[in-house]
Amino acid sequence: EIVLTQSPVTLSLSPGERATLSCRASQSVSSYLAWYQQKPGQAPRLLIYGASNRATGIPARFSGSGSGTDFTLTISSLEPEDFAVYYCQQRTNSQALTFGGGTKVEIK
Amino acid sequence: EVQLLESGGGLVQPGGSLRLSCAASGFTFSNYAMNWVRQAPGQGLEWVSALTDTGDDTYHADSVKGRFTISRDNSKNTLYLQMNSLRAEDTALYYCAKAPSTSSVRHFDYWGQGTLVTVSS
Repeated sequence: EIVLTQSPVTLSLSPGERATLSCRASQSVSSYLAWYQQKPGQAPRLLIYGASNRATGIPARFSGSGSGTDFTLTISSLEPEDFAVYYCQQRTNSQALTFGGGTKVEIK
Repeated sequence: EVQLLESGGGLVQPGGSLRLSCAASGFTFSNYAMNWVRQAPGQGLEWVSALTDTGDDTYHADSVKGRFTISRDNSKNTLYLQMNSLRAEDTALYYCAKAPSTSSVRHFDYWGQGTLVTVSS
């Protein structure tokens, strides 16, 4: 099973700052990586798929990059509504999907 | 507008069974693979099961293999999860999640609000 490790666990930033979240895979997942945002009491929302493609309706301040084993989600300038937990997720040929442990972006 | 509405959760004793349902609307249900994803209280996300658009192929996480069965009724636009031999560690909020393709599930583009399953004596 491919393990996804997200870092940091918690990121304390102020509105307007840039957020950089990391997701590292235990083996290559090519570009089959997605990012989700989850706010308290809500279902996850798809942000990025295929490592770098923004989902429908996602603001341009969200961007994804990387391939192979190292991936990054960047929020260029944090808005108040961006403070949430972010998960990465992969799926390779085995049809088994796994998620990372999450990064909480909190207000500093 | 895509809507996924889960139901069927509740309190069940260890070793018991439960069937979850997910009613879909706002898209052509029979054209997409569907999934169940769960989240234990205060924890992260765990993919549980997937099946293709026709229901011919199903996939389960090792943690539920042999105990859970995913199925669908395309005539009713409904997804199911039959859960048997439930354990305390199955306690979680269960989400229904749509894939953006017919068979190969790369990610989930829409999620329901979840139904809570509690396994306890």
